[in-house]
Amino acid sequence: GIQVEQSPPDLILQEGANSTLRCNFSDSVNNLQWFHQNPWGQLINLFYIPSGTKQNGRLSATTVATERYSLLYISSSQTTDSGVYFCAAYGSGSARQLTFGSGTQLTVLP
Amino acid sequence: KAGVTQTPRYLIKTRGQQVTLSCSPISGHRSVSWYQQTPGQGLQFLFEYFSETQRNKGNFPGRFSGRQFSNSRSEMNVSTLELGDSALYLCASSLGVAGLYEQYFGPGTRLTVT
Repeated sequence: GIQVEQSPPDLILQEGANSTLRCNFSDSVNNLQWFHQNPWGQLINLFYIPSGTKQNGRLSATTVATERYSLLYISSSQTTDSGVYFCAAYGSGSARQLTFGSGTQLTVLP
Repeated sequence: KAGVTQTPRYLIKTRGQQVTLSCSPISGHRSVSWYQQTPGQGLQFLFEYFSETQRNKGNFPGRFSGRQFSNSRSEMNVSTLELGDSALYLCASSLGVAGLYEQYFGPGTRLTVT
């Protein structure tokens, strides 16, 4: 099945800083999503972005499907942005499942 | 529109027992998928149901099973619980098959096996 790798595994920032999280995937995808997991475990949808660029407030994402990577940009970080960010991809091959990366643990310091 | 709901939210069971978890998808969604999250293995796919049929199953033993009802609600069952089954179980729903539509997750059921 598809392999999904996220980097960096951990990121510590000062409030107000910008950051870029990366997701590499090993095969072509039908579906790529970014999530933020809150401290209670719920996965919050950030972007559904199998290709192209989207923006939502301080967050934006870009997926370059031909080069098999996606980037999540967080600008002007706030302490409430802290948590784990997951990328998940659904490959276009025979393995019909959403495969998650191992996540990036983001800590934003006041 | 109400989100995905899961019951119960927390559960403590003893080794050898069985457990049933429930998931109600967003109204109009026909696909329900289940995932297990543990600190060691991360988020892993269990199975997906669409129109009451299992479309795909992850690499889990036969003790893990599920079903979907005609109203798209889904249940998963774990029999003969083991300590290693302690995890957060997440359910997700989508309008259609998971590969073609955005998935939305419920708050999860945290299962502890003692």
